[in-house]
Amino acid sequence: GAGVSQTPSNKVTEKGKYVELRCDPISGHTALYWYRQSLGQGPEFLIYFQGTGAADDSGLPNDRFFAVRPEGSVSTLKIQRTERGDSAVYLCASSSGVGEQFFGPGTRLTVL
Amino acid sequence: EDQVTQSPEALRLQEGESSSLNCSYTVSGLRGLFWYRQDPGKGPEFLFTLYSAGEEKEKERLKATLTKKESFLHITAPKPEDSATYLCAVRHSGGSNYKLTFGKGTLLTVNP
Repeated sequence: GAGVSQTPSNKVTEKGKYVELRCDPISGHTALYWYRQSLGQGPEFLIYFQGTGAADDSGLPNDRFFAVRPEGSVSTLKIQRTERGDSAVYLCASSSGVGEQFFGPGTRLTVL
Repeated sequence: EDQVTQSPEALRLQEGESSSLNCSYTVSGLRGLFWYRQDPGKGPEFLFTLYSAGEEKEKERLKATLTKKESFLHITAPKPEDSATYLCAVRHSGGSNYKLTFGKGTLLTVNP
């Protein structure tokens, strides 16, 4: 069956610009997670959705980062006024309840 | 705060040369230890979940084991296609028990 998909696969932007990253989870998975992975590091938790609501956004680095999941399926991670330090791979994962998390291929964000 | 330390950072093996990767963890009430494989430019691919000390799981040339303080990923007679970064993650019981805390990974290279 289809896994987690993420678009775009690569995004290059300029400092100060706004970007949106999209995640389409595995069909039927109610839980959705965003992680960020810097070079040579493991993924770091950003935010967790159960259904439509953000149950835990404690990993978001600051208020420039925001995520939504309006219909309980697709999620969008939004970053305002991007900075060079935001450059990383943004990973989305989904799970059925609190089970194993299945990851998408990631979006590589480069801020020039 | 949960902590995960993986060693070695990098491991180079000859084809057929068995070895083990280590994952040491500190967590307040383990509610799952997870192993993932990550190929360059891809998202983490789920391999195993272990829940209690003494538990073992196998898949092809890989076997994961768990004690109260660490987990090992044993690779028997590896092949070049086993080359990847192997990530370990933990999930704790109690609040925010959906969040995975990852180690930095072990980069495994298997030479033909």
